[in-house]
Amino acid sequence: DAGVTQSPTHLIKTRGQHVTLRCSPISGHKSVSWYQQVLGQGPQFIFQYYEKEERGRGNFPDRFSARQFPNYSSELNVNALLLGDSALYLCASSLATRARTTDTQYFGPGTRLTVL
Amino acid sequence: EDKVVQSPLSLVVHEGDTVTLNCSYEVTNFRSLLWYKQEKKAPTFLFMLTSSGIEKKSGRLSSILDKKELSSILNITATQTGDSAIYLCAVQSSGSARQLTFGSGTQLTVLP
Repeated sequence: DAGVTQSPTHLIKTRGQHVTLRCSPISGHKSVSWYQQVLGQGPQFIFQYYEKEERGRGNFPDRFSARQFPNYSSELNVNALLLGDSALYLCASSLATRARTTDTQYFGPGTRLTVL
Repeated sequence: EDKVVQSPLSLVVHEGDTVTLNCSYEVTNFRSLLWYKQEKKAPTFLFMLTSSGIEKKSGRLSSILDKKELSSILNITATQTGDSAIYLCAVQSSGSARQLTFGSGTQLTVLP
């Protein structure tokens, strides 16, 4: 079975541009979460979507937005890029059924974003 | 605000050694604690510990959750060079998002 896939693997942008990152979850998983990992730190939560609805949002500015499609894939959009947005962006998928109180999240390989 | 602290930040050992990685947490409504191994990019899932499952073991790796002390340890016995990685600890609290709050990780280097 395929794991979580993300595209592109690497991306170089300049300040002020916008970027779209894509994620496909594990087959059967209905929830997608996005994390930002800056060098030397653990991943930081950005968004979680479940069945196309936003379920949670971390402490990130409105320049960050996301959405989930009917096939459960997801996009993360970042507008007006800043140098500080340079990071590894990780997508994680999980079953996240309403009956479950705990939920294992499985991560994709990430997209390395460099903002110049 | 949920908080996770890992120690040590880095560790260098030789093959065959046993290591213990530490994780302490502060969380409003604890649901679970997860350990991940990150070699290059994707963190790979190791264990999930909950109130009903406070000890897990898989091969040379084992983990224990101490809910009284709000902490967890990850043990690796007979280390191999392939164990070199960043080990991440994360907690999952109650709430609809069930997001993970991560520590900064422990960088483990196993020398031949």
